[in-house]
Amino acid sequence: GDSVTQMEGPVTLSEEAFLTINCTYTATGYPSLFWYVQYPGEGLQLLLKATKADDKGSNKGFEATYRKETTSFHLEKGSVQVSDSAVYFCALISSNTGKLIFGQGTTLQVKP
Amino acid sequence: KAGVTQTPRYLIKTRGQQVTLSCSPISGHRSVSWYQQTPGQGLQFLFEYFSETQRNKGNFPGRFSGRQFSNSRSEMNVSTLELGDSALYLCASSTGSGKEKLFFGSGTQLSVL
Repeated sequence: GDSVTQMEGPVTLSEEAFLTINCTYTATGYPSLFWYVQYPGEGLQLLLKATKADDKGSNKGFEATYRKETTSFHLEKGSVQVSDSAVYFCALISSNTGKLIFGQGTTLQVKP
Repeated sequence: KAGVTQTPRYLIKTRGQQVTLSCSPISGHRSVSWYQQTPGQGLQFLFEYFSETQRNKGNFPGRFSGRQFSNSRSEMNVSTLELGDSALYLCASSTGSGKEKLFFGSGTQLSVL
């Protein structure tokens, strides 16, 4: 079945460092891809999305490009802030089942 | 516009008991999905309701059930609680048209002792 694999965390960075969180997927058809963020004590919020190959989603300085050839959707940010500390989830909506399938989540901790 | 509201925020139950969680979606949203979040398993899809009908279902035992009312509010019920049911239960709502944005509530933290 469809699945999402994220790099394991936690990821610990200093403020203003460059961030990459890897995400690869397995899916039949053409899924839509998402990054969600979960701040401590809160539910998930959609961070960005891409619905077709080569699309780039971006929001709040974060970017991810839908790479069909490598089945990847890596999350990047050029300069992280302490306020970016959260758990980040990569996800896809299966074009077969319509289900939203999440990766395991990657915890990011940014130190001042 | 009010967000997705989940009640209660925290619950403590003992093994064998049953529990009901509630979710009020964003006004106008007809789809409600439920997820279980645990440190070991991550986020797992439980089920989705659309216009009072279950539209999708994950791989959970029959002890987990849900329903949706005519006003789109949804409840999730877990019977005969087990220790492994301790988790954060998240509800998400959407318009229900397909590959659209989901809006999540803050969740109900269930602890089974």
